[in-house]
Amino acid sequence: QKEVEQNSGPLSVPEGAIASLNCTYSDRVSQSFFWYRQYSGKSPELIMSIYSNGDKEDGRFTAQLNKASQYVSLLIRDSQPSDSATYLCAVNAIQTGANNLFFGTGTRLTVIP
Amino acid sequence: GAGVSQTPSNKVTEKGKYVELRCDPISGHTALYWYRQSLGQGPEFLIYFQGTGAADDSGLPNDRFFAVRPEGSVSTLKIQRTERGDSAVYLCASSPGTWYEQFFGPGTRLTVL
Repeated sequence: QKEVEQNSGPLSVPEGAIASLNCTYSDRVSQSFFWYRQYSGKSPELIMSIYSNGDKEDGRFTAQLNKASQYVSLLIRDSQPSDSATYLCAVNAIQTGANNLFFGTGTRLTVIP
Repeated sequence: GAGVSQTPSNKVTEKGKYVELRCDPISGHTALYWYRQSLGQGPEFLIYFQGTGAADDSGLPNDRFFAVRPEGSVSTLKIQRTERGDSAVYLCASSPGTWYEQFFGPGTRLTVL
């Protein structure tokens, strides 16, 4: 049974702080990892993808992957109130050959002005 | 360019009725995925198409659910004899190929009374 685990939160940070979101996964053969942002009542929006161990930076966002620990995280620097949303971690199901994604339940982030 | 589109945005039906949900993927995307998202949960995989064929339908919950993609572009998810438990947001995603990032449409909110 593939599982993706996230702390459901809510996580509250002050504006300008760093928000740290964490995710663990159970399937050792997973190869692709994604972070989606979902505003209330909207669909998921892809913000980061990472495939190799280490860090990947894109603007204020940094994704970190550690396959040995089966851990992936998302850091948001200089958090803004507009970052307030639910962040979904997704992992691909490589064994099916179809790349369908398994999602965590999401972490709700609130950035306090 | 245009993103993934889904129609209708909302669908209210009565228990036992038949419904069809439509997805129009990003132009040129060969892979198309259907997911279902219940309140407070991450999206749950239903079915994946590569071209016209269903490459993986392991996520369909039972034989009341069926999906087609006859010309390799637009897809229709069909639900027979709807049940109240089918109420959820049905999300469609597309990608340029099997191992690429997936982009979601706005979803169809299905309510079964």
